[in-house]
Amino acid sequence: EDQVTQSPEALRLQEGESSSLNCSYTVSGLRGLFWYRQDPGKGPEFLFTLYSAGEEKEKERLKATLTKKESFLHITAPKPEDSATYLCAVRSSGNTPLVFGKGTRLSVIA
Amino acid sequence: KAGVTQTPRYLIKTRGQQVTLSCSPISGHRSVSWYQQTPGQGLQFLFEYFSETQRNKGNFPGRFSGRQFSNSRSEMNVSTLELGDSALYLCASSLWDIAETQYFGPGTRLLVL
Repeated sequence: EDQVTQSPEALRLQEGESSSLNCSYTVSGLRGLFWYRQDPGKGPEFLFTLYSAGEEKEKERLKATLTKKESFLHITAPKPEDSATYLCAVRSSGNTPLVFGKGTRLSVIA
Repeated sequence: KAGVTQTPRYLIKTRGQQVTLSCSPISGHRSVSWYQQTPGQGLQFLFEYFSETQRNKGNFPGRFSGRQFSNSRSEMNVSTLELGDSALYLCASSLWDIAETQYFGPGTRLLVL
Protein backbone atom coordinates (compact mmCIF):
# COMPACT_ATOMS: atom_id res chain seq x y z
CA GLU A 1 0.00 0.00 0.00
CA ASP A 2 1.31 3.45 -0.94
CA GLN A 3 2.18 5.64 2.04
CA VAL A 4 3.27 9.25 2.50
CA THR A 5 4.63 10.67 5.77
CA GLN A 6 5.36 14.36 6.20
CA SER A 7 7.48 15.90 8.92
CA PRO A 8 7.41 17.95 10.98
CA GLU A 9 3.66 18.29 11.55
CA ALA A 10 4.12 21.95 12.38
CA LEU A 11 7.03 24.36 11.97
CA ARG A 12 7.44 27.87 13.28
CA LEU A 13 10.11 30.06 11.70
CA GLN A 14 11.29 33.62 12.09
CA GLU A 15 11.18 35.68 8.92
CA GLY A 16 14.39 35.00 6.98
CA GLU A 17 15.11 31.72 8.79
CA SER A 18 15.55 29.04 6.11
CA SER A 19 14.41 25.45 6.68
CA SER A 20 13.26 22.25 4.98
CA LEU A 21 10.10 20.16 5.03
CA ASN A 22 10.32 16.40 4.56
CA CYS A 23 8.09 13.99 2.64
CA SER A 24 8.93 10.29 2.94
CA TYR A 25 7.11 7.88 0.67
CA THR A 26 6.65 4.18 0.04
CA VAL A 27 5.29 3.23 -3.38
CA SER A 28 5.53 0.26 -5.70
CA GLY A 29 6.86 2.45 -8.47
CA LEU A 30 6.80 6.24 -8.53
CA ARG A 31 4.93 7.90 -11.39
CA GLY A 32 5.04 11.38 -9.85
CA LEU A 33 5.46 13.32 -6.58
CA PHE A 34 3.50 16.53 -6.11
CA TRP A 35 3.80 19.47 -3.72
CA TYR A 36 0.87 21.73 -2.92
CA ARG A 37 0.32 24.74 -0.70
CA GLN A 38 -3.02 25.14 1.08
CA ASP A 39 -4.31 28.23 2.86
CA PRO A 40 -7.08 27.81 5.47
CA GLY A 41 -10.49 27.16 3.94
CA LYS A 42 -9.14 27.06 0.37
CA GLY A 43 -8.27 24.37 -2.13
CA PRO A 44 -4.65 23.20 -2.49
CA GLU A 45 -2.54 25.29 -4.87
CA PHE A 46 -0.11 23.42 -7.10
CA LEU A 47 3.59 24.08 -6.55
CA PHE A 48 5.77 21.36 -8.13
CA THR A 49 5.74 17.98 -9.84
CA LEU A 50 8.82 15.73 -9.65
CA TYR A 51 9.12 12.53 -11.63
CA SER A 52 12.54 10.98 -11.01
CA ALA A 53 15.26 10.83 -8.35
CA GLY A 54 17.72 13.69 -8.63
CA GLU A 55 15.18 16.08 -10.09
CA GLU A 56 14.97 19.59 -8.61
CA LYS A 57 12.53 22.46 -9.24
CA GLU A 58 12.50 26.03 -7.96
CA LYS A 59 9.94 28.78 -7.64
CA GLU A 60 10.76 32.02 -5.86
CA ARG A 61 11.83 31.07 -2.30
CA LEU A 62 10.88 27.38 -2.71
CA LYS A 63 12.96 24.51 -4.02
CA ALA A 64 11.80 20.90 -4.23
CA THR A 65 14.15 17.93 -4.48
CA LEU A 66 13.54 14.21 -4.92
CA THR A 67 15.39 11.02 -3.95
CA LYS A 68 14.25 7.41 -4.22
CA LYS A 69 12.69 7.49 -0.75
CA GLU A 70 11.89 11.12 0.08
CA SER A 71 11.40 14.64 -1.13
CA PHE A 72 12.37 17.91 0.51
CA LEU A 73 10.79 21.31 0.16
CA HIS A 74 13.44 23.90 1.00
CA ILE A 75 12.26 27.37 1.98
CA THR A 76 14.90 30.09 1.70
CA ALA A 77 14.50 33.34 3.66
CA PRO A 78 10.76 32.81 4.24
CA LYS A 79 8.29 35.67 4.59
CA PRO A 80 5.05 35.76 6.61
CA GLU A 81 3.06 35.23 3.39
CA ASP A 82 4.67 31.79 3.07
CA SER A 83 2.64 30.68 6.10
CA ALA A 84 0.38 27.82 4.97
CA THR A 85 0.02 24.05 5.09
CA TYR A 86 2.28 22.29 2.60
CA LEU A 87 1.01 18.98 1.24
CA CYS A 88 2.94 16.21 -0.46
CA ALA A 89 1.28 13.54 -2.64
CA VAL A 90 2.47 10.57 -4.69
CA ARG A 91 1.13 8.66 -7.65
CA SER A 92 2.45 5.13 -8.07
CA SER A 93 2.58 2.88 -11.11
CA GLY A 94 -0.59 1.10 -12.03
CA ASN A 95 -4.04 2.54 -11.95
CA THR A 96 -3.92 3.92 -8.42
CA PRO A 97 -5.17 7.24 -7.04
CA LEU A 98 -3.09 10.07 -5.66
CA VAL A 99 -2.10 9.52 -2.00
CA PHE A 100 -1.58 12.57 0.22
CA GLY A 101 0.41 13.09 3.39
CA LYS A 102 -1.14 14.89 6.37
CA GLY A 103 0.82 18.05 5.62
CA THR A 104 3.22 20.39 7.42
CA ARG A 105 1.71 23.53 8.91
CA LEU A 106 4.23 26.35 8.46
CA SER A 107 4.07 29.61 10.40
CA VAL A 108 6.51 32.42 9.55
CA ILE A 109 6.71 35.14 12.16
CA ALA A 110 7.77 38.70 11.27
CA LYS B 1 -7.81 29.97 -18.64
CA ALA B 2 -10.42 29.59 -15.92
CA GLY B 3 -9.60 27.26 -13.05
CA VAL B 4 -11.64 24.46 -11.52
CA THR B 5 -14.99 25.71 -10.25
CA GLN B 6 -17.17 24.11 -7.60
CA THR B 7 -20.74 24.85 -6.61
CA PRO B 8 -22.11 25.53 -4.17
CA ARG B 9 -19.27 26.91 -2.04
CA TYR B 10 -21.11 26.44 1.26
CA LEU B 11 -23.93 24.14 2.24
CA ILE B 12 -25.80 23.39 5.46
CA LYS B 13 -27.88 20.22 5.65
CA THR B 14 -29.47 18.11 8.36
CA ARG B 15 -28.90 14.45 9.10
CA GLY B 16 -30.73 12.11 6.74
CA GLN B 17 -30.87 14.56 3.85
CA GLN B 18 -28.97 14.11 0.63
CA VAL B 19 -26.70 16.55 -1.19
CA THR B 20 -25.30 16.98 -4.70
CA LEU B 21 -22.05 18.85 -5.35
CA SER B 22 -20.90 20.02 -8.75
CA CYS B 23 -17.47 20.45 -10.32
CA SER B 24 -16.44 22.02 -13.63
CA PRO B 25 -12.87 21.12 -14.62
CA ILE B 26 -10.35 23.32 -16.41
CA SER B 27 -11.21 23.54 -20.09
CA GLY B 28 -9.68 20.59 -21.95
CA HIS B 29 -9.15 18.49 -18.84
CA ARG B 30 -10.80 15.08 -19.03
CA SER B 31 -9.99 13.62 -15.62
CA VAL B 32 -11.79 14.67 -12.44
CA SER B 33 -11.08 13.47 -8.89
CA TRP B 34 -12.95 14.11 -5.66
CA TYR B 35 -11.52 14.29 -2.14
CA GLN B 36 -12.89 14.75 1.36
CA GLN B 37 -10.81 16.85 3.73
CA THR B 38 -11.29 16.90 7.49
CA PRO B 39 -8.95 18.19 10.23
CA GLY B 40 -8.39 14.70 11.63
CA GLN B 41 -8.05 12.62 8.47
CA GLY B 42 -6.53 15.03 6.00
CA LEU B 43 -7.24 14.61 2.29
CA GLN B 44 -8.99 11.32 1.55
CA PHE B 45 -9.66 10.09 -1.97
CA LEU B 46 -13.29 9.54 -2.99
CA PHE B 47 -13.45 8.88 -6.75
CA GLU B 48 -11.66 9.48 -10.00
CA TYR B 49 -13.35 9.78 -13.38
CA PHE B 50 -11.96 9.84 -16.88
CA SER B 51 -14.13 10.16 -20.00
CA GLU B 52 -17.32 9.39 -18.02
CA THR B 53 -15.83 6.19 -16.54
CA GLN B 54 -14.93 5.70 -12.91
CA ARG B 55 -11.22 4.88 -12.90
CA ASN B 56 -10.75 4.55 -9.13
CA LYS B 57 -12.85 4.54 -5.98
CA GLY B 58 -11.79 5.19 -2.41
CA ASN B 59 -12.86 3.44 0.78
CA PHE B 60 -16.10 5.25 1.42
CA PRO B 61 -19.58 3.76 1.99
CA GLY B 62 -22.06 3.37 -0.84
CA ARG B 63 -23.84 6.55 0.31
CA PHE B 64 -21.14 8.40 -1.62
CA SER B 65 -21.53 8.27 -5.38
CA GLY B 66 -20.43 10.28 -8.37
CA ARG B 67 -20.61 10.60 -12.09
CA GLN B 68 -19.01 12.46 -14.98
CA PHE B 69 -20.77 13.90 -17.99
CA SER B 70 -19.68 14.02 -21.62
CA ASN B 71 -18.45 17.62 -21.18
CA SER B 72 -16.18 16.39 -18.32
CA ARG B 73 -18.22 18.16 -15.65
CA SER B 74 -18.73 15.98 -12.60
CA GLU B 75 -21.15 15.65 -9.71
CA MET B 76 -20.95 13.78 -6.45
CA ASN B 77 -23.89 12.81 -4.30
CA VAL B 78 -24.07 11.90 -0.65
CA SER B 79 -27.30 10.29 0.53
CA THR B 80 -28.56 9.89 4.09
CA LEU B 81 -26.15 12.45 5.48
CA GLU B 82 -24.43 11.81 8.80
CA LEU B 83 -22.79 14.32 11.16
CA GLY B 84 -19.39 12.86 10.23
CA ASP B 85 -19.88 13.88 6.60
CA SER B 86 -19.19 17.50 7.57
CA ALA B 87 -16.04 18.36 5.64
CA LEU B 88 -14.47 20.32 2.82
CA TYR B 89 -15.13 18.48 -0.45
CA LEU B 90 -12.50 19.16 -3.08
CA CYS B 91 -12.55 18.51 -6.79
CA ALA B 92 -9.40 18.36 -8.90
CA SER B 93 -8.89 18.06 -12.63
CA SER B 94 -6.03 16.92 -14.84
CA LEU B 95 -5.52 16.55 -18.59
CA TRP B 96 -5.80 12.79 -18.88
CA ASP B 97 -2.73 10.80 -17.83
CA ILE B 98 -2.71 9.58 -14.25
CA ALA B 99 0.82 10.92 -13.74
CA GLU B 100 -0.15 14.45 -14.60
CA THR B 101 -0.66 17.29 -12.15
CA GLN B 102 -4.09 17.68 -10.59
CA TYR B 103 -5.40 21.23 -10.15
CA PHE B 104 -7.83 21.82 -7.33
CA GLY B 105 -10.96 23.88 -7.05
CA PRO B 106 -11.84 26.05 -4.02
CA GLY B 107 -13.96 23.30 -2.45
CA THR B 108 -17.48 23.01 -1.07
CA ARG B 109 -17.78 23.36 2.69
CA LEU B 110 -20.56 21.01 3.90
CA LEU B 111 -21.94 21.26 7.40
CA VAL B 112 -24.33 18.55 8.58
CA LEU B 113 -26.45 19.41 11.62
